[in-house]
Amino acid sequence: NAGVMQNPRHLVRRRGQEARLRCSPMKGHSHVYWYRQLPEEGLKFMVYLQKENIIDESGMPKERFSAEFPKEGPSILRIQQVVRGDSAAYFCASSQTGGNEKLFFGSGTQLSVL
Amino acid sequence: DQQVKQNSPSLSVQEGRISILNCDYTNSMFDYFLWYKKYPAEGPTFLISISSIKDKNEDGRFTVFLNKSAKHLSLHIVPSQPGDSAVYFCAASAPGGSEKLVFGKGTKLTVNP
Repeated sequence: NAGVMQNPRHLVRRRGQEARLRCSPMKGHSHVYWYRQLPEEGLKFMVYLQKENIIDESGMPKERFSAEFPKEGPSILRIQQVVRGDSAAYFCASSQTGGNEKLFFGSGTQLSVL
Repeated sequence: DQQVKQNSPSLSVQEGRISILNCDYTNSMFDYFLWYKKYPAEGPTFLISISSIKDKNEDGRFTVFLNKSAKHLSLHIVPSQPGDSAVYFCAASAPGGSEKLVFGKGTKLTVNP
C-alpha cells in the first residue's frame, strides 16, 4: 500500500540545466497535483493533472515549466534552463476523485540550483 | 496577496496543555478548510478538515473551529504531546474548478516534555 512516491529526493542542477521531477500517485489515484514550497513560505499550487490531461495550470510559470501525466508511467514536472530562483521543495499530491477531499502528499523533491 | 494567513510563525507549549493554532483568510469564496501537519523532510499529512456549513469538527485530540463572519479558523490540540511537534499548515479551497488548495505559511509547534 505504497503512498505517493517522488524521486529523486534531492536534485542538484547548475543554472541552465534541465530538471525532471517524477511522481507516482497512490494506487487507484488518477488525479495529480504539483505544489512548490519556497523557503519560509507555504505550499503554492502549480498544476493539476489527470491521466493525459492538464486540468488546471494556473499556478505554473508561463515559461520553462511544463508537466505531464501520461497514460502509463509517473507524472513528470519539467523545468528547463533552471535559475537559482527555482530552488525549492516540489511536492506532488494525489487524490482518487479530485473533489473536495484530502490530498495525499509525497515526501517532495528538494531542488537546488547552483 | 496572501489569501490564507498564519500570523504566528511558531508556538511553544508544555506537554499536556492545549495548543491553539490560528488561521485567517480573506477570500469569502473559500468553503472548505483543512489542516496539514508536516515533519522535516516529509510531505504534509492531512489532519482534519471542516466545511463552511459547520462551525466545529472534532477528531480525537484535534478540534477545528470556524468563524465565518470573522474569516477565522483555529486548530485546538488537547492534550498536546511531544510527538505533535511539527509545522502545521492551514489550507483552504473554493468550490468548482480543480479544488486546488491555498496554503498559509505554517506555524511551527513545539511541545516541550
